[in-house]
Amino acid sequence: EPEVTQTPSHQVTQMGQEVILRCVPISNHLYFYWYRQILGQKVEFLVSFYNNEISEKSEIFDDQFSVERPDGSNFTLKIRSTKLEDSAMYFCASSEARLAGGVPYNEQFFGPGTRLTVL
Amino acid sequence: AQSVSQHNHHVILSEAASLELGCNYSYGGTVNLFWYVQYPGQHLQLLLKYFSGDPLVKGIKGFEAEFIKSKFSFNLRKPSVQWSDTAEYFCAVGTGGFKTIFGAGTRLFVKA
Repeated sequence: EPEVTQTPSHQVTQMGQEVILRCVPISNHLYFYWYRQILGQKVEFLVSFYNNEISEKSEIFDDQFSVERPDGSNFTLKIRSTKLEDSAMYFCASSEARLAGGVPYNEQFFGPGTRLTVL
Repeated sequence: AQSVSQHNHHVILSEAASLELGCNYSYGGTVNLFWYVQYPGQHLQLLLKYFSGDPLVKGIKGFEAEFIKSKFSFNLRKPSVQWSDTAEYFCAVGTGGFKTIFGAGTRLFVKA
């Protein structure tokens, strides 16, 4: 069964450093997403991406964050200058996302996550 | 603003007890509804989903959920829980903008 993969599984970095989290979405999916989950808290939407551009983003997704699809298979999240509060589990997701009779069908498939620790 | 509320943050049950986890959302348009489970140390897994049609949906591991449109609710149920159901459960709502909003989660602990 196809699945979303993420690398690395755990990233430790110093405050102020740049990190790039990588995701390989399911191959026929066209919509891509990043979510984060701070330890003990709920899963929060960061950004959605379609057709090589951001389609929606949350207020968490400020200028320190960027996303890119550098090739046909990878989808990356970059944090330019990490802060302590960026420590979290980051989940990538992908979906086919279609409309049928005006009803959206958007089951998102989640990757295993990357645990980012900022020291 | 769109939001998802889960009524219970922590639930403790004995094995064989029945489970119902409440979920309400605020969004006026057409929604997709999901329940995800996160076992300790693992990633999110889809339990069940509702897109349209029969409002009573059955998922994996004996879970089911009922969409009541008039109450903006999508409660999760299981008639008899097992110790292996110990996990965190997240209700999630997908809106027409294709983002998914998660509830705060309910931690379920099942005593053997």
